[in-house]
Amino acid sequence: GEDVEQSLFLSVREGDSSVINCTYTDSSSTYLYWYKQEPGAGLQLLTYIFSNMDMKQDQRLTVLLNKKDKHLSLRIADTQTGDSAIYFCAESLNTPLVFGKGTRLSVIA
Amino acid sequence: EAGVTQSPTHLIKTRGQQATLRCSPISGHTSVYWYQQALGLGLQFLLWYDEGEERNRGNFPPRFSGRQFPNYSSELNVNALELEDSALYLCASSLGAKADTQYFGPGTRLTVL
Repeated sequence: GEDVEQSLFLSVREGDSSVINCTYTDSSSTYLYWYKQEPGAGLQLLTYIFSNMDMKQDQRLTVLLNKKDKHLSLRIADTQTGDSAIYFCAESLNTPLVFGKGTRLSVIA
Repeated sequence: EAGVTQSPTHLIKTRGQQATLRCSPISGHTSVYWYQQALGLGLQFLLWYDEGEERNRGNFPPRFSGRQFPNYSSELNVNALELEDSALYLCASSLGAKADTQYFGPGTRLTVL
């Protein structure tokens, strides 16, 4: 079946790197996504990775995909207070997307 | 380019009433998705429309229904509202049925009293 798991909370100091982890169960997923949700807002697409890639870098964001272990991570370099939000991992087998419950990132100034 | 828009922003109803939520996709997108984000339950898929047809449905009772109009905008209707229907309802759109990447609107916060 489809299930996406994430740790619920992460706290980091401003300027440090944040690493948010996610595991998924369906090896047929074609794309894996990271979305950001700020309080009271919708989901903002941050980045995504195609399942045949191992890594994708986009400015401060680095996505690593370990397909063998079905593990996805999002690294945010030089974390800022504006990065405080809930981060959702999602997998795409066929629509719809299947989401994890989200990781709440708190950035301490 | 305008993103996905949803209306209203907030909606307050009482138990047993009906709610109608609206979504306009990004221009050029033909697929619209509805998700429910209830407290503590994460994002649950509700409905998917593409080219005016319902393509897939999540594990929700029939009182959750919707439609997609010829201009690809969509409506979600919730009948016989229950307290547990209180949630943020998110709409997303994608380029088409085979396009995976979904872009989300800001959501409609439905409160059932």
